[in-house]
Amino acid sequence: NAGVTQTPKFQVLKTGQSMTLQCAQDMNHEYMSWYRQDPGMGLRLIHYSVGAGITDQGEVPNGYNVSRSTTEDFPLRLLSAAPSQTSVYFCASSYSGMGSEAFFGQGTRLTVV
Amino acid sequence: AQSVTQLDSHVSVSEGTPVLLRCNYSSSYSPSLFWYVQHPNKGLQLLLKYTSAATLVKGINGFEAEFKKSETSFHLTKPSAHMSDAAEYFCVLNKDTDKLIFGTGTRLQVFP
Repeated sequence: NAGVTQTPKFQVLKTGQSMTLQCAQDMNHEYMSWYRQDPGMGLRLIHYSVGAGITDQGEVPNGYNVSRSTTEDFPLRLLSAAPSQTSVYFCASSYSGMGSEAFFGQGTRLTVV
Repeated sequence: AQSVTQLDSHVSVSEGTPVLLRCNYSSSYSPSLFWYVQHPNKGLQLLLKYTSAATLVKGINGFEAEFKKSETSFHLTKPSAHMSDAAEYFCVLNKDTDKLIFGTGTRLQVFP
């Protein structure tokens, strides 16, 4: 029972490079989302999706793209990495509706130099 | 606007003593509230949730929280701390059906 799987766990990028953080869930959840965690700021929502083919922006979307072609996968793309994007990234999924538990991946620690 | 405030960034307790992690919320409607725990270099795990049923909510590992509408609070408590409770704790508000608003976190240290 894998739950939410994120890859890679660690990544170092140079400024200006692009990359994709992968997220997959095997629980048939409709809702998926990406958060970034920075010290003293909790987790902030980057992008989210309420189902395949539907995505929307969260609180801090600039510099990131997402797509949702299947229920299972929700990749996050960094278009041109900047040092300000150094952070820990978490993918989450939940079944639906208010009060549903969100299941989180183990996180991706990204450093942009 | 909905928001969550965790009143303490760090809490230190001795093993075997009570734990209190404080959380206040602001919401224009009856909220769903959660406490999540994050152990070092791990993802987040749900401790407990409030969804307008009983105001005293019991969670895993002996934690519980009480929803107090009059005080707009959802404090997390545990009668007796264990070394394994050392972690970061997040109070979370469910905004709409698919968005979570996180507090800034409280780091709990447990001393032997």
